[in-house]
Amino acid sequence: GAGVSQSPSNKVTEKGKDVELRCDPISGHTALYWYRQSLGQGLEFLIYFQGNSAPDKSGLPSDRFSAERTGGSVSTLTIQRTQQEDSAVYLCASSPSSYNEQFFGPGTRLTVL
Amino acid sequence: KQEVTQIPAALSVPEGENLVLNCSFTDSAIYNLQWFRQDPGKGLTSLLLIQSSQREQTSGRLNASLDKSSGRSTLYIAASQPGDSATYLCAVGTNDMRFGAGTRLTVKP
Repeated sequence: GAGVSQSPSNKVTEKGKDVELRCDPISGHTALYWYRQSLGQGLEFLIYFQGNSAPDKSGLPSDRFSAERTGGSVSTLTIQRTQQEDSAVYLCASSPSSYNEQFFGPGTRLTVL
Repeated sequence: KQEVTQIPAALSVPEGENLVLNCSFTDSAIYNLQWFRQDPGKGLTSLLLIQSSQREQTSGRLNASLDKSSGRSTLYIAASQPGDSATYLCAVGTNDMRFGAGTRLTVKP
């Protein structure tokens, strides 16, 4: 079946602009996660959704980062006023339920010039 | 704060060898431990999930063990093949998984 999909696959933006990254989880998966992977920091947890609620936002690095999930399905991660240190690969994962195996999408590579 | 360490950072072996990758973590209050592989420029592929009540999981040539009390997991790869070349990552936690830096494996034909 279809896996987790993310769009766009690549995004180049100028410093100070806002960006939106999209994640489509595996159909029927109730839990959804955002991570980012950068050369200096490795893979970092950002936020977790169960349904449309985000019980754990502890990994969001600043208030410029926000995420929402609608209809228990698609999620968007928004970064406002992007900075060069936001450049990274943003990975989305989903799982059938909380505390379950996580399946990752291919990621969005964000470059902030 | 959970710290996850993977040893070795890189490993190069000839085809056919059996090998062991190591993962250690500092906080044993975990729910899951999951092993992934990552190919260059790609996302993560789930290999094995071990829940905290389990001690090991097997899938094909892969076997992963978990010792919560000592904060260790190993991933055993039998009869390695060039197609196994990738970076192997372990992750531990509940829903907010914490990742190690990975072991970059090269299997030479």
